[in-house]
Amino acid sequence: SQQGEEDPQALSIQEGENATMNCSYKTSINNLQWYRQNSGRGLVHLILIRSNEREKHSGRLRVTLDTSKKSSSLLITASRAADTASYFCATEGRGAQKLVFGQGTRLTINP
Amino acid sequence: DVKVTQSSRYLVKRTGEKVFLECVQDMDHENMFWYRQDPGLGLRLIYFSYDVKMKEKGDIPEGYSVSREKKERFSLILESASTNQTSMYLCASSLTGGNTIYFGEGSWLTVV
Repeated sequence: SQQGEEDPQALSIQEGENATMNCSYKTSINNLQWYRQNSGRGLVHLILIRSNEREKHSGRLRVTLDTSKKSSSLLITASRAADTASYFCATEGRGAQKLVFGQGTRLTINP
Repeated sequence: DVKVTQSSRYLVKRTGEKVFLECVQDMDHENMFWYRQDPGLGLRLIYFSYDVKMKEKGDIPEGYSVSREKKERFSLILESASTNQTSMYLCASSLTGGNTIYFGEGSWLTVV
């Protein structure tokens, strides 16, 4: 399986601090995607990074991809209470058209 | 914006009932997916479809079937619901492989 594995499983920080979540996977990928899920809701797409890209930004989000280490990280800068959610990475393998998800990181931002 | 709509947000069904979960997307996407999400197990793929009338098994297809008669609609069917199918079910779609996958709000199914 090329399931992504997030680390840490849970993260609690103070508002205004930066939050970093990591994802590791096992096999070659076409792309890696990060999602956010608020409690009891569907998943919201954050960023897609392709295997030939190393870094992408979107607002306060920064995603890096290291294919040699089969890992990715999601950085949220200047965190806000509204960033409290679970964050998932998902990988699309070469030749596949489906995503395989990790277990997620539960992020709590304390006011 | 892409919209993926799941017809039922909350359902309670009895063991042995036949259950239909409906999903519609409005962006002419080729691919559609059904996942279930359980605490500690994350999201697991049940079935996906890359074209009308085409389907492929995901990681946990047992006890489920799907139907895609029209491009915009992908239905998940529980032929005979069991209590271990109590879960949150998430439908998703993407234009084709290699593109962003968009999710619906989820359907909470309780089988009693």
